[in-house]
Amino acid sequence: QQQVKQSPQSLIVQKGGISIINCAYENTAFDYFPWYQQFPGKGPALLIAIRPDVSEKKEGRFTISFNKSAKQFSLHIMDSQPGDSATYFCAASSRGGGADGLTFGKGTHLIIQP
Amino acid sequence: DVKVTQSSRYLVKRTGEKVFLECVQDMDHENMFWYRQDPGLGLRLIYFSYDVKMKEKGDIPEGYSVSREKKERFSLILESASTNQTSMYLCASSLYTEQYFGPGTRLTVT
Repeated sequence: QQQVKQSPQSLIVQKGGISIINCAYENTAFDYFPWYQQFPGKGPALLIAIRPDVSEKKEGRFTISFNKSAKQFSLHIMDSQPGDSATYFCAASSRGGGADGLTFGKGTHLIIQP
Repeated sequence: DVKVTQSSRYLVKRTGEKVFLECVQDMDHENMFWYRQDPGLGLRLIYFSYDVKMKEKGDIPEGYSVSREKKERFSLILESASTNQTSMYLCASSLYTEQYFGPGTRLTVT
């Protein structure tokens, strides 16, 4: 049973455009929703995270939008750059995401064309 | 700077062999995790540990075991490797919410 569904599987965006990746979850006990970025040959690294008490969080060009009633959250990358080309994973965790492991989506391979 | 290191970047083992994957973190983190990453499946949690000698099963523990004798070291053990365990294995550690990942070990079982 896949608890976090991520789409699209791959995405091509022109430089300067907006990249949007969507995730949906089923487990209402989830209370921590991070996004991880992974470059080839590297482990994933935390990009930005949100908790369900806020509907939006912005850090630089990266924004998470969160819809608790729909059980959906999304990553928006504004002014997308070639250096943003990577694989992005949404994830979720209960108990605040501390000692518990993360449940990941299947990933989105993002390519920013110059 | 947090550093999570994994003993090997690439490993080739034969079916039936016992395999040890080692992970060491240098930030005194309480929590450590093992995931496997497969194309189109994302990362899936195998086991995690929130303290020395403590362990919890993740989503796909079958065929694996773990050992945590020291706080900084978390080992993943494949008791009898099988071809369906060919994968990228990622170790992570955390103190609070952010998990820090190692570079991964690509294991091939032939």
